Amino acid sequence: QVQLQESGPGLVKPSETLSLTCTVSGGSISRYHWSWIRQPPGKGLEWIGNIYYSGSTKYNPALKSRVIISVDTSKNQYSLKVNSVSPADTAIYYCTRWFDHYYYMDVWGKGTTVTVSS
Amino acid sequence: QTVVTQEPSFSVSPGGTVTLTCGLSSGSVSSGYYPSWYQQTPGQTPRTFIYNTNTRSSGVPDRFSGSILGNKAALTITGAQADDGSDYYCVLYMGGGMVFGGGTKLTVL
Repeated sequence: QVQLQESGPGLVKPSETLSLTCTVSGGSISRYHWSWIRQPPGKGLEWIGNIYYSGSTKYNPALKSRVIISVDTSKNQYSLKVNSVSPADTAIYYCTRWFDHYYYMDVWGKGTTVTVSS
Repeated sequence: QTVVTQEPSFSVSPGGTVTLTCGLSSGSVSSGYYPSWYQQTPGQTPRTFIYNTNTRSSGVPDRFSGSILGNKAALTITGAQADDGSDYYCVLYMGGGMVFGGGTKLTVL
């Protein structure tokens, strides 16, 4: 059974780059598609972007200029980078597996909290 | 930009039936948007509940059902139980990406 685990710094300074990694266990990362979702404190969920097993990506238009999602198949990991962060990027960040057959997320990581503050 | 709309809150009595909806600020929701629904209890990771409009994920009780009602996607709970009180988010597939609704906070009392 596929399991996901997010990791990365819990505190990032404004204007710097947020970097997170999702480690996939119980299955090959190359066989599926993957997503990043985030949730600001007390607010709803927001889709950040997808990376497909082909390596192509699709991003939320509102974040597209600042986001990069990449995959490292040798480590069975994929990553998220958000540039030029501000306090508005403070959130719980979730990695998920995404099925393009019916366009939904079926496996979720537990999430990691990132705070943007000086 | 099209917004996915959900009722901010809803209340249902134990044993009652409630229907949460998922609409668009402009246009109608159809099965072609592949509506999916996620349940999130406070402090917990979201759980996939319904996908492809009406398919229940593994382990989801059959008192939960998904459908298209009129111009919206719908999540119906028949015979609500106390532990169904949670936040429910719908997601629509649009333009090659996904858009979340703002979520509905369901209270069972």
